[in-house]
Amino acid sequence: GDSVTQMEGPVTLSEEAFLTINCTYTATGYPSLFWYVQYPGEGLQLLLKATKADDKGSNKGFEATYRKETTSFHLEKGSVQVSDSAVYFCALSEEAYGQNFVFGPGTRLSVLP
Amino acid sequence: NAGVTQTPKFQVLKTGQSMTLQCAQDMNHEYMSWYRQDPGMGLRLIHYSVGAGITDQGEVPNGYNVSRSTTEDFPLRLLSAAPSQTSVYFCASSCPRDGPYEQYFGPGTRLTVT
Repeated sequence: GDSVTQMEGPVTLSEEAFLTINCTYTATGYPSLFWYVQYPGEGLQLLLKATKADDKGSNKGFEATYRKETTSFHLEKGSVQVSDSAVYFCALSEEAYGQNFVFGPGTRLSVLP
Repeated sequence: NAGVTQTPKFQVLKTGQSMTLQCAQDMNHEYMSWYRQDPGMGLRLIHYSVGAGITDQGEVPNGYNVSRSTTEDFPLRLLSAAPSQTSVYFCASSCPRDGPYEQYFGPGTRLTVT
């Protein structure tokens, strides 16, 4: 079945450092790809998405590019802030209306001032 | 819009007790889902519904029941709670017309079964 693999956390960075969180996937078809973020004590929020190869999703300074050839969707940010501390989930969906999401295990990011 | 709301926020149950986790959305979304979140395992789909009167099982449905009598509400019932059901439960909704496939999540219910 479909699966999503993320780099192990936790990831600890200093403010203004460069962030990369790796995500790779396996899927039988042609999925849409997502990054969700979960701040402490809250539910998940969509951070960015991409629906076809070479699409770049971006939001709040975060970016991720859909790479079909490497089945990857790595999350990057050029300069992290303390407020970016959260858990980040990579996810895919192949169903027609996204009903069957598959989530990665999540990567906890801590940004120190 | 309140979005997706869940009650209660926290709950402690004894083994064998039953309870219902409530979920409601005011966005007129057709699709609703229940997930559980366990450390190191991401979110796993328990049950989902593509519209009122229609439900189906997800990856981990055992021990849970759902029904969808209205578009707005999608309660999750634990029939006989077990310690393995200690988890954080999230309800989500989505609308195919909004495509592609963004899910809106509630704030979660943290359940402990002793």
